Amino acid sequence: KAGVTQTPRYLIKTRGQQVTLSCSPISGHRSVSWYQQTPGQGLQFLFEYFSETQRNKGNFPGRFSGRQFSNSRSEMNVSTLELGDSALYLCASSQSGSGNTIYFGEGSWLTVV
Amino acid sequence: GEDVEQSLFLSVREGDSSVINCTYTDSSSTYLYWYKQEPGAGLQLLTYIFSNMDMKQDQRLTVLLNKKDKHLSLRIADTQTGDSAIYFCAESILSGTSYGKLTFGQGTILTVHP
Repeated sequence: KAGVTQTPRYLIKTRGQQVTLSCSPISGHRSVSWYQQTPGQGLQFLFEYFSETQRNKGNFPGRFSGRQFSNSRSEMNVSTLELGDSALYLCASSQSGSGNTIYFGEGSWLTVV
Repeated sequence: GEDVEQSLFLSVREGDSSVINCTYTDSSSTYLYWYKQEPGAGLQLLTYIFSNMDMKQDQRLTVLLNKKDKHLSLRIADTQTGDSAIYFCAESILSGTSYGKLTFGQGTILTVHP
């Protein structure tokens, strides 16, 4: 059974640009959530999607957005990139979002220069 | 609010047991997770426990839950150098506003010396 797949693994963007990250969950999983990991702030929750609906959102500015498609694949977008957006972005997959196994992908390393 | 706390560092000798501690805030319907992160990698799920349980064992891993003190521990028996990594405790509260969200501790850096 394939795990959680995130693309791209590494990317470098310039301030002011936008970026789109992709996550393919484990087959049969309908919940996808996103996290930002930085040395200073640790792991912070961005948002969670279930059956194409955003159910929960963390405390991030509106520049951070996401969506989920009918096949449960999810994308997150960051517009008007800032240096502080440099981070590891992790995607998590589970059957229902809570109360069961939650698996993470290898992450997308974003560097903003 | 949700808050998960962990000690930052732990150093052990190879072959000894490691105990990583965590405190959490919500004692109602909560799932508690342990993840391992190696350098440059994502999070590997080690184990999880529901808040109405006291203990869970899985091979070299033992999770103990003290509900009264809201204290969670992960014991790794016969610790090996390959266990050196960052270990995260995370809380998932089964309520409307928190559904689908994991709240993480700061992570404990485990260093295993030969």
